[in-house]
Amino acid sequence: SQQGEEDPQALSIQEGENATMNCSYKTSINNLQWYRQNSGRGLVHLILIRSNEREKHSGRLRVTLDTSKKSSSLLITASRAADTASYFCATVPPSGSRLTFGEGTQLTVNP
Amino acid sequence: GAVVSQHPSWVICKSGTSVKIECRSLDFQATTMFWYRQFPKQSLMLMATSNEGSKATYEQGVEKDKFLINHASLTLSTLTVTSAHPEDSSFYICSVVPSGRDEQYFGPGTRLTVT
Repeated sequence: SQQGEEDPQALSIQEGENATMNCSYKTSINNLQWYRQNSGRGLVHLILIRSNEREKHSGRLRVTLDTSKKSSSLLITASRAADTASYFCATVPPSGSRLTFGEGTQLTVNP
Repeated sequence: GAVVSQHPSWVICKSGTSVKIECRSLDFQATTMFWYRQFPKQSLMLMATSNEGSKATYEQGVEKDKFLINHASLTLSTLTVTSAHPEDSSFYICSVVPSGRDEQYFGPGTRLTVT
């Protein structure tokens, strides 16, 4: 079963705009990860944030984590057409390494 | 990041036949690999955890006799879909976790179509 939900399910923006995707989860976690998937391809790891961290940056990506609300957000700044893809959050429990994925957000960046 | 390959990238088979999908970790040894399936426009669902040298751990609702997993070496895990049916048509993806790391590295996926 899925750990949680992502919203929005689909997001369409213009190049240069920022894109924000949200993820909620239900159980305790060790860390939360964001992945990207281009259509019909495998997943690419983007960023990992641990349960004791609140914010993390990587290039144009900014991730926040609020463990009290069991939620995370992924912000992509200055979006590009090449950012068009599906984005998934995934949680790792306190013990073990299995990932539980959210439903995903389909991002379309129009040139 | 780690490099993971899958073979074949796509396969079409007839109902009732069996199909084997390989997942290879090309640049490090993996004691654990994961198998997922993904239906169109949906998220990934974990099917099983493949453990080198021991039996796989299957998720609830996944038939172990239908989805045979063999993790015979530290770089290769195979998933065999036995007696395939059209409802088994899906995108199958494997992943590995390098020792000491938390992120998973995914293969490119295998598109299975059962006619």
